[in-house]
Amino acid sequence: GAVVSQHPSRVICKSGTSVKIECRSLDFQATTMFWYRQFPKQSLMLMATSNEGSKATYEQGVEKDKFLINHASLTLSTLTVTSAHPEDSSFYICSARSPPDTQYFGPGTRLTVL
Amino acid sequence: QKEVEQNSGPLSVPEGAIASLNCTYSDRGSQSFFWYRQYSGKSPELIMFIYSNGDKEDGRFTAQLNKASQYVSLLIRDSQPSDSATYLCAAYLGGADGLTFGKGTHLIIQP
Repeated sequence: GAVVSQHPSRVICKSGTSVKIECRSLDFQATTMFWYRQFPKQSLMLMATSNEGSKATYEQGVEKDKFLINHASLTLSTLTVTSAHPEDSSFYICSARSPPDTQYFGPGTRLTVL
Repeated sequence: QKEVEQNSGPLSVPEGAIASLNCTYSDRGSQSFFWYRQYSGKSPELIMFIYSNGDKEDGRFTAQLNKASQYVSLLIRDSQPSDSATYLCAAYLGGADGLTFGKGTHLIIQP
């Protein structure tokens, strides 16, 4: 199957700082990528859909000014958590849609905000 | 509301038996269905996809689709303890760009 990478795999930061997470499709071009968040023992929650060259579409309740998404190329999408707070601590997972319609997930980034 | 429904479990199955995981979906127009496996603390991993009514087999896994009943299932034959995980059913609903996931079924294979 197709490979999606994420970096970093784990990050610990102080409250108030910003954190950038990168998501790359390694062996295919992805016009659409997705960002999810998962809290312990809960299901995946879609945060936003990222389309190459256009603004991301955010799910209801997700603050677009706090979670900045950029999809500048067909292989890279970034999520920046701005002014992170302890309640933003979670497991952030990206996925990329490989033609025709299969989504492959990155390994995830575990964010801990102190 | 467009939904994918799964029984959260836990579903406990003895080693070597067949594990049967079920999923229903709300959008009769959906065409593509996916099963993912997620180990604790890891991201989901694609197991199978199915587009056509009937069965699709891949090794120990068989996906079954019944569009008339809006029902998808995953059978795992000769279950192993390493199959213990949460299994997520997903489908494209309502023409959305992204998959809609069920909440997942927690499967436990007892040695």
